[in-house]
Amino acid sequence: AQSVTQLDSHVSVSEGTPVLLRCNYSSSYSPSLFWYVQHPNKGLQLLLKYTSAATLVKGINGFEAEFKKSETSFHLTKPSAHMSDAAEYFCVVSDPYNNNDMRFGAGTRLTVKP
Amino acid sequence: GAVVSQHPSWVICKSGTSVKIECRSLDFQATTMFWYRQFPKQSLMLMATSNEGSKATYEQGVEKDKFLINHASLTLSTLTVTSAHPEDSSFYICSARLASSSTETQYFGPGTRLLVL
Repeated sequence: AQSVTQLDSHVSVSEGTPVLLRCNYSSSYSPSLFWYVQHPNKGLQLLLKYTSAATLVKGINGFEAEFKKSETSFHLTKPSAHMSDAAEYFCVVSDPYNNNDMRFGAGTRLTVKP
Repeated sequence: GAVVSQHPSWVICKSGTSVKIECRSLDFQATTMFWYRQFPKQSLMLMATSNEGSKATYEQGVEKDKFLINHASLTLSTLTVTSAHPEDSSFYICSARLASSSTETQYFGPGTRLLVL
């Protein structure tokens, strides 16, 4: 079985400051990991994905995430938050050989203060 | 590329009526599509996996007779909520896989908000 835990339900940062959204995973094999962003009343947009290549993954809009097997973590970071980053973020784990079974975290709501 | 659309984007209906939601892959062929539902302030829950030309596979606890899924072509899957009730009100999101490989990324549609009165 596989699962993800997003450690913070809500993160608030000031514009221009760094963003850290935490995600820990549980999997019996080396998983595929994803971060998706969802703006209000919108669908999900893929930010980045890890599929056993480089452990530091760069995504869109300046986001990146680092896969740390020893810590079973896949935290999402951005050096400088922008107002447009305010949204809900989901960490997702799946079997790399069969992503029919994607398990979503509970989500982290990011608020960006001016 | 890899754009998925849904129609309608939102719908309000009376209790007891049926509602059909379409999911289309606009610029690629999707042999597999997925249907999720998301309740307010909650995460996405997979409802069913839809394979082109065959019956959908439903997750445990999802009534297949209530949520009818049809995947008649490589670019279109439909979800019909039959005899909708207020508890069916939710945000329904579909996704499509880029190719027949199960290792490919899922791309998500913009969602359909259903409100049953």
